[in-house]
Amino acid sequence: EAGVTQFPSHSVIEKGQTVTLRCDPISGHDNLYWYRRVMGKEIKFLLHFVKESKQDESGMPNNRFLAERTGGTYSTLKVQPAELEDSGVYFCASSQDGVGARITEAFFGQGTRLTVV
Amino acid sequence: LAKTTQPISMDSYEGQEVNITCSHNNIATNDYITWYQQFPSQGPRFIIQGYKTKVTNEVASLFIPADRKSSTLSLPRVSLSDTAVYYCLVGDRTGGSYIPTFGRGTSLIVHP
Repeated sequence: EAGVTQFPSHSVIEKGQTVTLRCDPISGHDNLYWYRRVMGKEIKFLLHFVKESKQDESGMPNNRFLAERTGGTYSTLKVQPAELEDSGVYFCASSQDGVGARITEAFFGQGTRLTVV
Repeated sequence: LAKTTQPISMDSYEGQEVNITCSHNNIATNDYITWYQQFPSQGPRFIIQGYKTKVTNEVASLFIPADRKSSTLSLPRVSLSDTAVYYCLVGDRTGGSYIPTFGRGTSLIVHP
């Protein structure tokens, strides 16, 4: 079974340009998460999809970031226009739905390293 | 969400048992304790999860005392490949939704 895949693995763009990151979750996983790790900092939550709906986007930095999950399958995270402080590693994760209070394992992708110059 | 506190870093030698303790004094009744491992240039990887007492799998053991205010991840006979950052997460599916929330983690370095 394929794991969570992210594309590209690395992207270098100039300030002001647009970049779109893609995440393909594990098939059948309703939950999809985006995270970001800026150098030297913690892994920070960005947003959470349940199927195609945004359940929680409280971690999105600002309106330059737009996430979509068409049809509840793959997801894209667009940064437009990119700024220097957007540099970091963007992780995507997916999980099955849990039962009651029990939480399920989240599977993470390898991440996309974004460098804005 | 309950706040977690872990050592920032630990050093060990190959073949030793490593125990990483996480404090979560404000853990809620429905909260589960989950540990993740992250290697450089990779995403975090689930290691183990527990609610109380002891849980063991092929990778590690998780010890949770009765008051659940802390937990200890035990890695038996570590090797160089166990060098990674280990994260302790606490939470539940409040309102039907769970968001894995990461702290700073513990950077474990295993020496030859």
